[in-house]
Amino acid sequence: AQSVTQLDSQVPVFEEAPVELRCNYSSSVSVYLFWYVQYPNQGLQLLLKYLSGSTLVKGINGFEAEFNKSQTSFHLRKPSVHISDTAEYFCAVSDRRDDKIIFGKGTRLHILP
Amino acid sequence: KAGVTQTPRYLIKTRGQQVTLSCSPISGHRSVSWYQQTPGQGLQFLFEYFSETQRNKGNFPGRFSGRQFSNSRSEMNVSTLELGDSALYLCASSLGTGNFDEQYFGPGTRLTVT
Repeated sequence: AQSVTQLDSQVPVFEEAPVELRCNYSSSVSVYLFWYVQYPNQGLQLLLKYLSGSTLVKGINGFEAEFNKSQTSFHLRKPSVHISDTAEYFCAVSDRRDDKIIFGKGTRLHILP
Repeated sequence: KAGVTQTPRYLIKTRGQQVTLSCSPISGHRSVSWYQQTPGQGLQFLFEYFSETQRNKGNFPGRFSGRQFSNSRSEMNVSTLELGDSALYLCASSLGTGNFDEQYFGPGTRLTVT
């Protein structure tokens, strides 16, 4: 069975500093990988996705993620965060064999002034 | 193009009651998925409807049900509410089934069960 682990429930970081949000998944087959962002009182918005091809994926708002098959990881990074990046971030995995998606528990990103 | 809309946005019910939540997808989208979001369990997939048929179902009891109409609007019903059903219920729409890379979420309905 698939599972997604987001190792940090909260990550504080100073404004303009770099950030990495960690995500590991378990699956024995090929997967699609996603990062979503949820701003306060809103639904989820897709940040980026890995379907195939290049392992470095660039998304919206300056975020990028790298798919590492050997480490079964899909960590999200941004070189310089802004106060507007304050949100909860969800990693998700979808098994290519079925039409289901599993989400991690989320990581709250706190931007410190 | 209008986004995914969910009504109502907030709801308070008491234990034992039932509730119906509504989701209107983006125009042209035929798939609607429902998710439950709680602080303890995170986001969990409830079910997906495509062309008025349930295509996928998560691990939730039979008290959770849904349906989709010919205009792709979807409703979710929870009967015999329990305190643990308090959550943010999100729906998402996409053109086709399983299109998680092209899934658009609504703002959610926050259900509080007292």
